[in-house]
Amino acid sequence: RKEVEQDPGPFNVPEGATVAFNCTYSNSASQSFFWYRQDCRKEPKLLMSVYSSGNEDGRFTAQLNRASQYISLLIRDSKLSDSATYLCVVTNVGTASKLTFGTGTRLQVTL
Amino acid sequence: DAGVTQSPTHLIKTRGQQVTLRCSPKSGHDTVSWYQQALGQGPQFIFQYYEEEERQRGNFPDRFSGHQFPNYSSELNVNALLLGDSALYLCASSESSGWSGLGQFFGPGTRLTVL
Repeated sequence: RKEVEQDPGPFNVPEGATVAFNCTYSNSASQSFFWYRQDCRKEPKLLMSVYSSGNEDGRFTAQLNRASQYISLLIRDSKLSDSATYLCVVTNVGTASKLTFGTGTRLQVTL
Repeated sequence: DAGVTQSPTHLIKTRGQQVTLRCSPKSGHDTVSWYQQALGQGPQFIFQYYEEEERQRGNFPDRFSGHQFPNYSSELNVNALLLGDSALYLCASSESSGWSGLGQFFGPGTRLTVL
């Protein structure tokens, strides 16, 4: 079983739609959680951190459920420029600087 | 302020050959991590260098080795290349004082193709 699991998609949504991505992680000792964005053939870039209290950055909302070992990302009012692969990332106690990535979920926003 | 740079951008090798990839960290960063990203997969951690020593290592065979220089730049070496080594190799740098996912910055990667 992979340590971080994501639905690879693709998710095809029209502009303006709301879309949600989910991610589960298997290590209960996981310490920090992030969503990264990766454009085609580019490097991953940090989108946002994820906290149990939830956090919001403009149209993006991330949520962590430690009991269920589940992370989510909600994108409201999707833009064409949101088309990318969204990677769920965790770090574990004792190896805080080692990022463990999921496979990524591909989002395609269309007109 | 230059970010993380990697060279070369693309590389084609044949099975059995050896390859060296290079990374210069972001200014002020002293820690370098290497990741392998196969097509359709997320990046996988290879190893991390700090103070010119390997600090952490992922599940990669000994064919994968590295080095960090006094100026914090780093090399990734892969010996006896296999077709399965074809991937995007990413370098990420960070400050030792901020060893967390928040402080890591990725370079553009080197795309290695093994024929």
